[in-house]
Amino acid sequence: DVYLLESGGGLVRPGGSLRLSCAASGFSFSTYAMTWVRQAPGKGLEWVSVISGSGDRAYYPDSVKGRFTISRDNSKNTVYLEMYSLRAEDTAVYYCAKGGSYYDYWGPGSLVSVSS
Amino acid sequence: EIVLTQSPGTLSLSPGERATLSCWASQTVTRSQLAWYQQRPGQAPRLIIHGVSNRATGIPDRFSASGSGTDFTLSISRLEPEDSAVYFCHQYSSSFTFGPGTKVDVK
Repeated sequence: DVYLLESGGGLVRPGGSLRLSCAASGFSFSTYAMTWVRQAPGKGLEWVSVISGSGDRAYYPDSVKGRFTISRDNSKNTVYLEMYSLRAEDTAVYYCAKGGSYYDYWGPGSLVSVSS
Repeated sequence: EIVLTQSPGTLSLSPGERATLSCWASQTVTRSQLAWYQQRPGQAPRLIIHGVSNRATGIPDRFSASGSGTDFTLSISRLEPEDSAVYFCHQYSSSFTFGPGTKVDVK
């Protein structure tokens, strides 16, 4: 069975930084692109970042470009999201998901709250 | 950016009825790169459909989908209370965007 589990969320002040991790199991991790998607409280879904299976390509929407960095460690079956210069509008549940087009498995999510 | 619009915003139906959800794209979605997800309260989204009409693993055949270009539809027949959820469409043809969702309430 495929499992994804995010960790590292919490309360951070505006301008602060946070690193999320997503541990994966149950599939050949390095074969698949991985994606982060976020959902603000009571809102819809927003794509945040995607990284290729080898880790050599990554993409971001303009809303986080230059502030967020996605990376992966295929030896640990883990994908990361480093978030800098956090803003109140970054407050959301952050999901990691398997896949680089559609997402066939999702983790339960990790809540990031940006507030003073 | 391809903007996705969904309607209706909310659908209230009884068990056994059929739900029809619509998703419109502001530009053509190419190569059938459209998916649907189900999100129950307090849970992560779950893939229902990919490639416009392909059911994901474990999804019952009560769920069907169709469409092309800019107009897409998800149908759920013989509704069950467990189908109560928000349903999002998602295009991966040009970058990645999601629709705002349709809430389906079955009771």
